[in-house]
Amino acid sequence: GDSVTQMEGPVTLSEEAFLTINCTYTATGYPSLFWYVQYPGEGLQLLLKATKADDKGSNKGFEATYRKETTSFHLEKGSVQVSDSAVYFCALRGNTGFQKLVFGTGTRLLVSP
Amino acid sequence: GAGVSQSPSNKVTEKGKDVELRCDPISGHTALYWYRQSLGQGLEFLIYFQGNSAPDKSGLPSDRFSAERTGGSVSTLTIQRTQQEDSAVYLCASSPGGRGLIRSSFEKLFFGSGTQLSVL
Repeated sequence: GDSVTQMEGPVTLSEEAFLTINCTYTATGYPSLFWYVQYPGEGLQLLLKATKADDKGSNKGFEATYRKETTSFHLEKGSVQVSDSAVYFCALRGNTGFQKLVFGTGTRLLVSP
Repeated sequence: GAGVSQSPSNKVTEKGKDVELRCDPISGHTALYWYRQSLGQGLEFLIYFQGNSAPDKSGLPSDRFSAERTGGSVSTLTIQRTQQEDSAVYLCASSPGGRGLIRSSFEKLFFGSGTQLSVL
């Protein structure tokens, strides 16, 4: 079945450092890919998405590119802030049973001043 | 309401008791999902509703788990004879959905803050 694999955390960075959180997926066909973020004490919210190969999703300085050849959707940000500290979830929606999202295990990011 | 509302926010129960968790989706959202978030396990899909029917209940872990949705709105997740391994955060989400099953209508999920269930 469809699945998502994320790098384990926590990822600990200093403010203004470069961030990469790796995400790879297994799915048939052409799934849609997502990054969701869960800030402390809040519910999950959509950060960005990409619906076809080579698409780049972006929001709040974060970017991720849908790479079909490597089945990856790595999250990047050039300069993190303390306020980016949160748990980040990679997710996909496949072509079959497409209504549900399949999530990865989440990666906690801790940014220190 | 303005967002997805879940109640209670915390529930502590004894092993063997039944519990009911409630979800109030965003008004007008026809699609509703239940997920479970366990420590180190990520988000585990439980069940999906389109209106009042559940076309995908493949994630319910056992027959102790059931869910219903009435009036195309509020949903209740019931766990019977709770076990310690049921301890987790239970998350509800909704999306616009729609009869045409247009893919974009399901792409953004709006999550509630969850119910933290602790089974002693």
